[in-house]
Amino acid sequence: AQSVTQLGSHVSVSEGALVLLRCNYSSSVPPYLFWYVQYPNQGLQLLLKYTSAATLVKGINGFEAEFKKSETSFHLTKPSAHMSDAAEYFCAVSSPAGKSTFGDGTTLTVKP
Amino acid sequence: GAGVSQTPSNKVTEKGKYVELRCDPISGHTALYWYRQSLGQGPEFLIYFQGTGAADDSGLPNDRFFAVRPEGSVSTLKIQRTERGDSAVYLCASSPTGTSSTDTQYFGPGTRLTVL
Repeated sequence: AQSVTQLGSHVSVSEGALVLLRCNYSSSVPPYLFWYVQYPNQGLQLLLKYTSAATLVKGINGFEAEFKKSETSFHLTKPSAHMSDAAEYFCAVSSPAGKSTFGDGTTLTVKP
Repeated sequence: GAGVSQTPSNKVTEKGKYVELRCDPISGHTALYWYRQSLGQGPEFLIYFQGTGAADDSGLPNDRFFAVRPEGSVSTLKIQRTERGDSAVYLCASSPTGTSSTDTQYFGPGTRLTVL
């Protein structure tokens, strides 16, 4: 069984501030973890994925995430928020067959 | 076609009617997934195809939901006797192999289904 919990359904930051979106997972097997971004009326776009090669994963648009097994976490960060980062973000854990279980999402608002 | 496409983009129907939602995956992708996203929630897995066969249909909520992929490319999600609770965005994704957890799933824009 696998599950994902995203802490905070809404996060608001000022432009230029640090972005931190939290994700905790539960998995009975070594997890494969993903972060997706969804802009209004668009499909999900992959930001980055953890596949056990390295615990710090760099993705697109300046985002990165660190896998911490001891904390069962995979938090998403970006040093400096941009207005274009405003969107909904989903953390997901994948089973061996690729079936993904998603969190409920975090809406990121960026204030000018 | 560079990405996954879904038609229609919007579908409004009346309670009790039958609907079909279509997904065109990326050419050559073996695996195809259907998810349902209700308002304020993350996508919820429905069914996964490996080629023409449904490898995992454990997410289909009941026997009103059915999906096919007869030639291993295009897939159709079919919903009989629609209910208001079926209203959601139905997402389709495809991936190259579907046999690796690290496969990247590419998502379509979704079909927004509204049942009146």
